[in-house]
Amino acid sequence: SAVISQKPSRDICQRGTSLTIQCQVDSQVTMMFWYRQQPGQSLTLIATANQGSEATYESGFVIDKFPISRPNLTFSTLTVSNMSPEDSSIYLCSALGWSNTEAFFGQGTRLTVV
Amino acid sequence: AQRVTQPEKLLSVFKGAPVELKCNYSYSGSPELFWYVQYSRQRLQLLLRHISRESIKGFTADLNKGETSFHLKKPFAQEEDSAMYYCALRGNSGNTPLVFGKGTRLSVIA
Repeated sequence: SAVISQKPSRDICQRGTSLTIQCQVDSQVTMMFWYRQQPGQSLTLIATANQGSEATYESGFVIDKFPISRPNLTFSTLTVSNMSPEDSSIYLCSALGWSNTEAFFGQGTRLTVV
Repeated sequence: AQRVTQPEKLLSVFKGAPVELKCNYSYSGSPELFWYVQYSRQRLQLLLRHISRESIKGFTADLNKGETSFHLKKPFAQEEDSAMYYCALRGNSGNTPLVFGKGTRLSVIA
């Protein structure tokens, strides 16, 4: 199994600013993903964080707004840029272990933009 | 397109009553199906997956390819089962992300 630590766990930010969320896994994993969970909604995939290359973004999400890094097999960051109140959400980091059968999740980052 | 549908946003049952959380999916191929659970103030965690054919905490789920369903069932609900339940799908190509349903909040009343 893998344990995922996300920080910060929550933040309140001013509109127009940026926040970087960190995701650290306690073991090497094959795939890392970032999801968004807006209030009352399901988890929506933002992107797949690729180690050593640019992330793969889902429809509706772009690199300029959500730049992602993954410098190695255990760490990734998601930045929410030029924030607006519509970005208020929970952001979740997820990872697939080497067996690829179970996805693990961080505890989430609750972002409020005011 | 991949899609997971959980028709019930909220399900309330009495303790000891049977529980069935519905999940239907749309996928052109043979997907992997999962149920994830999120208890209050805890992170999302795997409950069970269809390939394991296991019973976890008394819950079972059978994949019905004809009806494209993967309903979660438990014969006797317990108060500690109260949580948010998400049905999820993953393509059979391996390293792909999960697609989630909107979730069903189960409330077990004493």
